[in-house]
Amino acid sequence: GDSVTQMEGPVTLSEEAFLTINCTYTATGYPSLFWYVQYPGEGLQLLLKATKADDKGSNKGFEATYRKETTSFHLEKGSVQVSDSAVYFCALSRNTNAGKSTFGDGTTLTVKP
Amino acid sequence: GAGVSQSPRYKVAKRGQDVALRCDPISGHVSLFWYQQALGQGPEFLTYFQNEAQLDKSGLPSDRFFAERPEGSVSTLKIQRTQQEDSAVYLCASSLEAAVTDTQYFGPGTRLTVL
Repeated sequence: GDSVTQMEGPVTLSEEAFLTINCTYTATGYPSLFWYVQYPGEGLQLLLKATKADDKGSNKGFEATYRKETTSFHLEKGSVQVSDSAVYFCALSRNTNAGKSTFGDGTTLTVKP
Repeated sequence: GAGVSQSPRYKVAKRGQDVALRCDPISGHVSLFWYQQALGQGPEFLTYFQNEAQLDKSGLPSDRFFAERPEGSVSTLKIQRTQQEDSAVYLCASSLEAAVTDTQYFGPGTRLTVL
């Protein structure tokens, strides 16, 4: 079945450091890929998405590129801020499953000033 | 406009009790999803509605779990004879259409604790 594997956390960085959170997936066909973020005390919200190979999703300075050859969708940000502290979830949806999403276990990011 | 709301936000039940969790999706959203999130893990799919039709219930862990969306808007997830392993956060999400690329908007979740 479908699965998503995320880099294990927690991750602690200093402000302005470079961030990478790894995500790889297993799925048949051509899934759509997503990164969700959950800020403390809030619900999950979509951060960015990519719907086909080589697409790059971007939002709020975060980027991720859909790499079919390596089945990866790594999240990157060039300079993190304290306000980026949150839990990040990688997810996929397959076109044949009407949007049902499979999530990774999440990576907790803490950014220190 | 309001986002997805869920009630109650917290529920404590004694083992064996029945519980009902409510989801109010964004008005006009066709698709509605229920997920279960155990502590330290990502959400896991339970069931999916397109309007009032339950098109996928493959993730419901047992026949004690039942979901409905009778008028294609509000949805209720019911758990009968709760067990300790049912303790989790139950998330509801809705999306405007039925396309896999549509953005899913999540509610804040209901944290269920079964004693």
